[in-house]
Amino acid sequence: DQQVKQNSPSLSVQEGRISILNCDYTNSMFDYFLWYKKYPAEGPTFLISISSIKDKNEDGRFTVFLNKSAKHLSLHIVPSQPGDSAVYFCAASATRRGGADGLTFGKGTHLIIQP
Amino acid sequence: KAGVTQTPRYLIKTRGQQVTLSCSPISGHRSVSWYQQTPGQGLQFLFEYFSETQRNKGNFPGRFSGRQFSNSRSEMNVSTLELGDSALYLCASSSGTGLYEQYFGPGTRLTVT
Repeated sequence: DQQVKQNSPSLSVQEGRISILNCDYTNSMFDYFLWYKKYPAEGPTFLISISSIKDKNEDGRFTVFLNKSAKHLSLHIVPSQPGDSAVYFCAASATRRGGADGLTFGKGTHLIIQP
Repeated sequence: KAGVTQTPRYLIKTRGQQVTLSCSPISGHRSVSWYQQTPGQGLQFLFEYFSETQRNKGNFPGRFSGRQFSNSRSEMNVSTLELGDSALYLCASSSGTGLYEQYFGPGTRLTVT
């Protein structure tokens, strides 16, 4: 049972345009969401996070939107750059007293930025 | 600040053997989590250690175990290796308090033959 789903295995976007990566979750206990970027042969790199008390968080070119009623979040990258080409993972966590449970990851979306 | 380091980076073992992987977290971080990444299952949470105690555990058999030392460094052990244990093992460190981001190391690529 996949609790975090990224339904697009790959996405191709032209350089300079907006990249939108989507993620759906089923576990209503999740209250903290993160996006990671991963290059081959490297560990995931943290990009941006959002708590369930917010619906938007922005950091430079990266913005994450959270729609709790739809159990959906998205990552917007504007403008897209060639270095953004990587696999993007959506992750979720259920916090509780004493800390968060381990992160539950989606299967990833391979973003390809075309010149 | 130095990032998360993992040793060794690559490892080849045979079925039935055991293996120990090591992780050094970012200085000041007290939480270390371990994940397994395979093509079929993606990234899956193994366990988390905080202040030398296992705080959370994923859904893996008891052959997978770990420990954390007083300097927050962590080791993960897999006993009686199976072919299906071939994977990239990732370690992540974090402050471990409140809502926190986890920062990943480069991983150890384990191949079981």
